[in-house]
Amino acid sequence: GAVVSQHPSWVICKSGTSVKIECRSLDFQATTMFWYRQFPKQSLMLMATSNEGSKATYEQGVEKDKFLINHASLTLSTLTVTSAHPEDSSFYICSATDRPPFEAFFGQGTRLTVV
Amino acid sequence: DQQVKQNSPSLSVQEGRISILNCDYTNSMFDYFLWYKKYPAEGPTFLISISSIKDKNEDGRFTVFLNKSAKHLSLHIVPSQPGDSAVYFCAASGSTGNQFYFGTGTSLTVIP
Repeated sequence: GAVVSQHPSWVICKSGTSVKIECRSLDFQATTMFWYRQFPKQSLMLMATSNEGSKATYEQGVEKDKFLINHASLTLSTLTVTSAHPEDSSFYICSATDRPPFEAFFGQGTRLTVV
Repeated sequence: DQQVKQNSPSLSVQEGRISILNCDYTNSMFDYFLWYKKYPAEGPTFLISISSIKDKNEDGRFTVFLNKSAKHLSLHIVPSQPGDSAVYFCAASGSTGNQFYFGTGTSLTVIP
């Protein structure tokens, strides 16, 4: 299947700092990218959907100013967690698709720990 | 509000038997359904999908059934193998692909 690379796979940051997570589609052009958050033993919660060149659509309850999403090209989307706090510690996963509404391919995830 | 639900958080099955994982959805606008398998600390991997115009799709040991009137789909794994032990998520998408929601997951354990 298609390859989606997510970087970094693990990051620790101090409270109040910002962290950027990258999601790249390596062998296809991703017209749509999704960002998810997963708490331990819980489902994947969709945070936002982004289409290349346009603003992301955030799910209800997700703070747009805190979780900045940029989908500037067909192969790269970034999620920036701004002014991170310990409660932002979670597992963040991106996915990308080149032919919605069909299967999306997932990155390996990023474990964020805010101390 | 959870639009895609998996009411069984866990399931244990003997090796060689059939595993049946269930999923319900509430949004009638969903018309494409997928199953993903996920190991801890990894991204989900795609297993099988089905379009709303079908009621069954089979791929090797995996078969997905869709009952649109009941807004219900299921994944059958037969025969189950220990390597199938993982968390299984169902997902649903609308026709534009701009909605892609996951269920709460079912942890499958296949006992050797």
